[in-house]
Amino acid sequence: DQQVKQNSPSLSVQEGRISILNCDYTNSMFDYFLWYKKYPAEGPTFLISISSIKDKNEDGRFTVFLNKSAKHLSLHIVPSQPGDSAVYFCAASAPYNNNDMRFGAGTRLTVKP
Amino acid sequence: DAGVTQSPTHLIKTRGQQVTLRCSPISGHKSVSWYQQVLGQGPQFIFQYYEKEERGRGNFPDRFSARQFPNYSSELNVNALLLGDSALYLCASSMGPRTGHSPLHFGNGTRLTVT
Repeated sequence: DQQVKQNSPSLSVQEGRISILNCDYTNSMFDYFLWYKKYPAEGPTFLISISSIKDKNEDGRFTVFLNKSAKHLSLHIVPSQPGDSAVYFCAASAPYNNNDMRFGAGTRLTVKP
Repeated sequence: DAGVTQSPTHLIKTRGQQVTLRCSPISGHKSVSWYQQVLGQGPQFIFQYYEKEERGRGNFPDRFSARQFPNYSSELNVNALLLGDSALYLCASSMGPRTGHSPLHFGNGTRLTVT
């Protein structure tokens, strides 16, 4: 029962360009969506979140877009930096859902100098 | 400020044994969640505790149990270990009881290997 999907296992971009990471979900009850970044040998680090009542949230170089009708969200990183190279997880939670936050399988982003 | 701390960092156990993993949340955080991450997959929810009460349980067998102490630290216990329990076990803390609304802050995990 994979309710959150990240269909691209990997993404490679040039330094300074835009990175776009995508995520699809199936549960229309999700009301919070989050992005996490994970470096090797470390736990996931919270990046940015968005409530389902919004369609965009911005924090510095990171912007998350939510398209509820398409059940799709994306993370934009502009400009991309080599230090952004990591695995990015999309996550979602629903009210009254056992506090079970669902994660996608992750997308490995490589930013080339 | 110290982040979420987990111990031990690595552990090797034999099938059938029992294991206890420990977690200390960020100071001021009253919620602790446990996740299992298998290679190539995202973290999968095991338990959530808030104010020492279980608030959520994922789809894991009864061999998995947890508890939260008065200082908000937590332990995850796994009995009768199977090879398939080999994974990275992540602990996360948050301010409030509702995950998502209060973002999870993860520790670096405990790598459990069952042989």
